Amino acid sequence: RKEVEQDPGPFNVPEGATVAFNCTYSNSASQSFFWYRQDCRKEPKLLMSVYSSGNEDGRFTAQLNRASQYISLLIRDSKLSDSATYLCVVNKGGYGQNFVFGPGTRLSVLP
Amino acid sequence: GAVVSQHPSWVICKSGTSVKIECRSLDFQATTMFWYRQFPKQSLMLMATSNEGSKATYEQGVEKDKFLINHASLTLSTLTVTSAHPEDSSFYICSAPDPARTGELFFGEGSRLTVL
Repeated sequence: RKEVEQDPGPFNVPEGATVAFNCTYSNSASQSFFWYRQDCRKEPKLLMSVYSSGNEDGRFTAQLNRASQYISLLIRDSKLSDSATYLCVVNKGGYGQNFVFGPGTRLSVLP
Repeated sequence: GAVVSQHPSWVICKSGTSVKIECRSLDFQATTMFWYRQFPKQSLMLMATSNEGSKATYEQGVEKDKFLINHASLTLSTLTVTSAHPEDSSFYICSAPDPARTGELFFGEGSRLTVL
């Protein structure tokens, strides 16, 4: 089993749709969690950190369920510019060397 | 936020030659940097951890004699792909942890290597 697994995708949705991505991780000792966005042939960029209490940033909502070792990302009112690959990232602990990247879920928002 | 710059952004070389990729932290000091490789439609895979003033730590399966890492200063790490072969063609990305210890990683722009 992979350390971090994500919905295989791709997700093709119309503009304005709500889309949810799921992610599971295997190491129960994982300490911090993130969603990164990666555009084609570009470097990943932090979208948002994921906190135990859940957090929201505009149209984006992230949830963490430590008991189920599950992370989610909800995007409301999808825009064309949201088209990208979304990476679930888990830090197993330490100063950055234990980041594990999920395979990513590709989203295409269609006009 | 902190900025990490990577150069070159793309390079094409002949099989058997060596290629050097630079990763610089522009507005902060990075004692540690990370090098990743990403093949098409796959996720980032950590290759090695670059430590300023000491030897790099390589992940299992990564040949340290082929992928030479030098972290000679607090703002520069270099990755040299020696005797490159077509199977080394990939997207190489460096990153540095947020010095404010938020847990975030700052990534360079990536370097796309094509070995002919």
